[in-house]
Amino acid sequence: EIVMTQSPATLSVSPGERATLSCRASQSVSSNLAWYQQKPGQAPRLLIYGASTRATGIPARFSGSGSGTEFTLTISSLQSEDFAVYYCQQYNNWYTFGQGTKLEIK
Amino acid sequence: EVQLVESGGGLVKPGGSLRLSCAASGFTFSSYSMNWVRQAPGKGLEWVSSISSSSSYIYYADSVKGRFTISRDNAKNSLYLQMNSLRAEDTAVYYCARVPARTAPYFDYWGQGTLVTVSS
Repeated sequence: EIVMTQSPATLSVSPGERATLSCRASQSVSSNLAWYQQKPGQAPRLLIYGASTRATGIPARFSGSGSGTEFTLTISSLQSEDFAVYYCQQYNNWYTFGQGTKLEIK
Repeated sequence: EVQLVESGGGLVKPGGSLRLSCAASGFTFSSYSMNWVRQAPGKGLEWVSSISSSSSYIYYADSVKGRFTISRDNAKNSLYLQMNSLRAEDTAVYYCARVPARTAPYFDYWGQGTLVTVSS
């Protein structure tokens, strides 16, 4: 099983600042990596697939990068609605998710 | 508009059974693979099971293999999860999720989830 490890567990950032979230795979997943956003009481929402392609309707302030085992989700200028939990997911070999990064207001 | 609506969750005793449903609308259900993903209270996401568009291919996580059965009825635009021999660790919100394409097997739409609680 491919283990996905996200860091940090919690990230405190002020609105308007940049947030950088990391995700590491225990073995290469090529570019078969997605990012999801989840707000309390809601279902996850697809943000990024193919490591760097924004899903339909996702604002340009969200960007993804990386390949192989190291991936990054960057939110360029945080808006109030961006504070949530973010999960990475590999779909190269079945499906596994990271444990999540909680993005909170500083 | 794509919509996925789960139902069937509830409180069940250990060893009991439950059948979840997911009603799909706004897209050609019979053309898409579907999945169940669960989330234990306060925890992360765990993939549970997948079924291809024509039910030809079915897969399960090891944690549910032999106890859960995924199925679909394309005529009714519905996805199901039959859960038997339930355990306390199966307590979670269960989401159905769509896969946009065989070559793009991530999850592009999710339902709102249905809560399953396994407790005596």
